[in-house]
Amino acid sequence: NAGVTQTPKFQVLKTGQSMTLQCAQDMNHEYMSWYRQDPGMGLRLIHYSVGAGITDQGEVPNGYNVSRSTTEDFPLRLLSAAPSQTSVYFCASKKGGTNQPQHFGDGTRLSIL
Amino acid sequence: AQSVSQHNHHVILSEAASLELGCNYSYGGTVNLFWYVQYPGQHLQLLLKYFSGDPLVKGIKGFEAEFIKSKFSFNLRKPSVQWSDTAEYFCAVNFNNAGNMLTFGGGTRLMVKP
Repeated sequence: NAGVTQTPKFQVLKTGQSMTLQCAQDMNHEYMSWYRQDPGMGLRLIHYSVGAGITDQGEVPNGYNVSRSTTEDFPLRLLSAAPSQTSVYFCASKKGGTNQPQHFGDGTRLSIL
Repeated sequence: AQSVSQHNHHVILSEAASLELGCNYSYGGTVNLFWYVQYPGQHLQLLLKYFSGDPLVKGIKGFEAEFIKSKFSFNLRKPSVQWSDTAEYFCAVNFNNAGNMLTFGGGTRLMVKP
């Protein structure tokens, strides 16, 4: 059982480039989300989805797009990368219900030059 | 605004010392509470969670946490730490008016000296 799979693990981009971070889960979880982790700030929610075809903004959505065409996949797109987006990105999934814990992927370390 | 605070950013302990990491939140309604651990180079893993019932919850690896509603706190404890507990610890809260969203504290980086 793979759980939550993120690719790539590392990426270096130049300012202005675009890219997509991939996230896939095989647990049939309804809820998926993207976080960024920055030193001293914990994890901040970028976007989330409560099911296929439904997405919504989190705490820090600017500069990022998401889509959820299937239950399994939840890609995160950087439209025009900026140095402020240098961070570690985590994808997570969970069953519906507020008392269900999140399952996290291994993270993508992204550097924007 | 609803928030989660972890006041200890860095903690250094010797093996066998006792651990208590603070977590406070700002919200007067119903909450679900979580502690996650992130070992170096790894993803976040669930340590323990509280939804209702006994306010003292026990998690994996000898960790426990106590929910004190009057203090809006959910502190993490371990009686005797080991070198392998070196990690970053995150408190997270699901506020009842926020659907499935989790709000994380800033994290506490624990170093245990052998």
